[in-house]
Amino acid sequence: EAGVAQSPRYKIIEKRQSVAFWCNPISGHATLYWYQQILGQGPKLLIQFQNNGVVDDSQLPKDRFSAERLKGVDSTLKIQPAKLEDSAVYLCASSLEIRDSFGTIYFGEGSWLTVV
Amino acid sequence: AQRVTQPEKLLSVFKGAPVELKCNYSYSGSPELFWYVQYSRQRLQLLLRHISRESIKGFTADLNKGETSFHLKKPFAQEEDSAMYYCALEGANTDKLIFGTGTRLQVFP
Repeated sequence: EAGVAQSPRYKIIEKRQSVAFWCNPISGHATLYWYQQILGQGPKLLIQFQNNGVVDDSQLPKDRFSAERLKGVDSTLKIQPAKLEDSAVYLCASSLEIRDSFGTIYFGEGSWLTVV
Repeated sequence: AQRVTQPEKLLSVFKGAPVELKCNYSYSGSPELFWYVQYSRQRLQLLLRHISRESIKGFTADLNKGETSFHLKKPFAQEEDSAMYYCALEGANTDKLIFGTGTRLQVFP
C-alpha cells in the first residue's frame, strides 16, 4: 500500500515570497490533515479536511496560509507571504473516514521549509 | 485547555536497561491517548494506543486517569528503540491529535 506522498521535500525561500506544498493521501482515505512542526516542538494541526470540506481550520493563520482539496483527493497548502517563523516541517496525514477507537492517522515524510 | 506534556527532551539509557518515557495530559473529558514514534529518516508512525491495551515492540503504556498520565514503558531497551517519541491526545468526537513536544530516546550499546 502506497503511503502519503508529499512534495517538494525541501524548499528554501526568502521572506515575503510564496510557497506551495502538495499532498496525495492514501487511496480511499477521506480525511486529510496538514500539520506544522517547528523545530523542537510536536506537530500542530493547521487544517483538517473531510473529503473536500473543511472540518477544522481554527489554528490556520488565514492571513497568509491557505489550503484546498478541490476533488476530495489531493491537497495543496500555500503560504503567501512567508515569514521567518514559518520555517518548519509541514506534515500531511490521512485517515479513513470512519473514525472509531482503532482509527489510525498515517503521516507523509514532510516538506521542510526554510525561510531566510 | 487540552495539553500534552512530555517533561524530558532527552532520555539516554544503556541497552538492557528499563525505559519510561513520561507523558501527562490535560483534558476535561475522556480522551484517547496515543504514542507515536519517528525513527531516523522515517515518517511519524503510530506505536500504540491506550484503547487497545496492546504491547508493541515490547512497549506498553497504561492510562492513569487519576494522575492524568500515559507513560510509555519497556523493561529492556534495545538499540533499535532509539528514536523520537511523541505522546498525543485525541478528544472525544474529534479526529484532532494534540501532540507533546517529544522525547528523544537514545539507547547506547
